[in-house]
Amino acid sequence: DIQMTQSPSTLSASVGDRVTITCRASQTISSWLAWYQQKPGKAPKLLIYKASSLESGVPSRFSGSGSGTEFTLTISSLQPDDFATYYCQKYNTYPHTFGQGTNLEIK
Amino acid sequence: EEQLLESGGGLVQPGGSLRLSCADPGLSFSRYGMSWVRQAPGRGLEWVSGLSGSGASTYYADSVKGRFTISRDNSKNTLYLQMNSLRVEDTAVYYCAKDWKGSTGWGQGTLVTVSS
Repeated sequence: DIQMTQSPSTLSASVGDRVTITCRASQTISSWLAWYQQKPGKAPKLLIYKASSLESGVPSRFSGSGSGTEFTLTISSLQPDDFATYYCQKYNTYPHTFGQGTNLEIK
Repeated sequence: EEQLLESGGGLVQPGGSLRLSCADPGLSFSRYGMSWVRQAPGRGLEWVSGLSGSGASTYYADSVKGRFTISRDNSKNTLYLQMNSLRVEDTAVYYCAKDWKGSTGWGQGTLVTVSS
């Protein structure tokens, strides 16, 4: 099975910062990658699908890029509401494996 | 995107069984593959099981293979997860999701606690 590895595991940043989270697949997955935001006690929220397509209603400060085995999620200017945990997920074939998560915390 | 509605969680002893249900209030349930995803307390998301729109093809994580069975009833717009031989490490919030654009339609989840 394809493994998904996110980095960093924890990221400390300030409001207004530009941050990037990386997700690597152990084999190529073309562009079949999604990004989610999750807050404590809540279900994950889809942010990005097909590596770079912004889900409806998601602020434009979120963007995704990459294809093949390396992908990034960028938040252009952090807002207070953005401090959460972020996950990538491959969905080209089953299993739809998730990365281990990146906890974005306030510096 | 309408939210899915999970139910059936609860407290069960190790070795016991539980059946989870996931209702889709939408009109196109049978068009989509569906998955179950779980999250143990303080841990990340783990994909557990998925199946095709017809239900003919099923897939499982190694951690649950042989113990869990996924199924669907397209006439009732409902997804199921039969969980047998439950272990303490199966304790988690279980979510169902529509396999579209990744995973969509997440509900509030249902908590499964395996403990003696």
